[in-house]
Amino acid sequence: GAGVSQSPRYKVAKRGQDVALRCDPISGHVSLFWYQQALGQGPEFLTYFQNEAQLDKSGLPSDRFFAERPEGSVSTLKIQRTQQEDSAVYLCASSRGTGQGYYEQYFGPGTRLTVT
Amino acid sequence: AQKVTQAQTEISVVEKEDVTLDCVYETRDTTYYLFWYKQPPSGELVFLIRRNSFDEQNEISGRYSWNFQKSTSSFNFTITASQVVDSAVYFCAPGSGNTGKLIFGQGTTLQVKP
Repeated sequence: GAGVSQSPRYKVAKRGQDVALRCDPISGHVSLFWYQQALGQGPEFLTYFQNEAQLDKSGLPSDRFFAERPEGSVSTLKIQRTQQEDSAVYLCASSRGTGQGYYEQYFGPGTRLTVT
Repeated sequence: AQKVTQAQTEISVVEKEDVTLDCVYETRDTTYYLFWYKQPPSGELVFLIRRNSFDEQNEISGRYSWNFQKSTSSFNFTITASQVVDSAVYFCAPGSGNTGKLIFGQGTTLQVKP
């Protein structure tokens, strides 16, 4: 019965560094989403996986952002050459099925990234 | 473009009052699902309710109820007899497209005072 977990919970990076954020979804969940939440704003969609296939990456803000889910379970969001505007909370969510949002998404606690 | 408007930025009520949170959405999808999520100060988004677009029957679940009107694209959420623990940011979010990615509004901050 574990929920979605994310690590690290907090990350401070110097501008220009690469970072990797990890998401462990609920076991057996097919769908996995990444969202970015700036301070005082609602989350914004980044990318979506169905099992290991990345079916939608329309929300990734630049080619510095890269996500993978090679075995259809754990996912990693990588940000290369971080910039100050990348500072945000990165949220991971999983759901047990697919299809137009029928299944609710369960969110992890997020990783707060601060770029200095 | 798909969009969510939560016109109320902040609401403050006294415990035991009823409070309604407004949501207006825009979508190109002919069938879709609508969600409400809660984000307490701890930061983790918590699923509250889901509604599909082809069933306008309004429901009550405990202290929560919702009013969905497809004709006006509104999906309002009511908390009855509010409690201090209800203090949080509330997000309305339609699921979009084949993936069901959520489109969030800016949220409504609810403060319930004792």
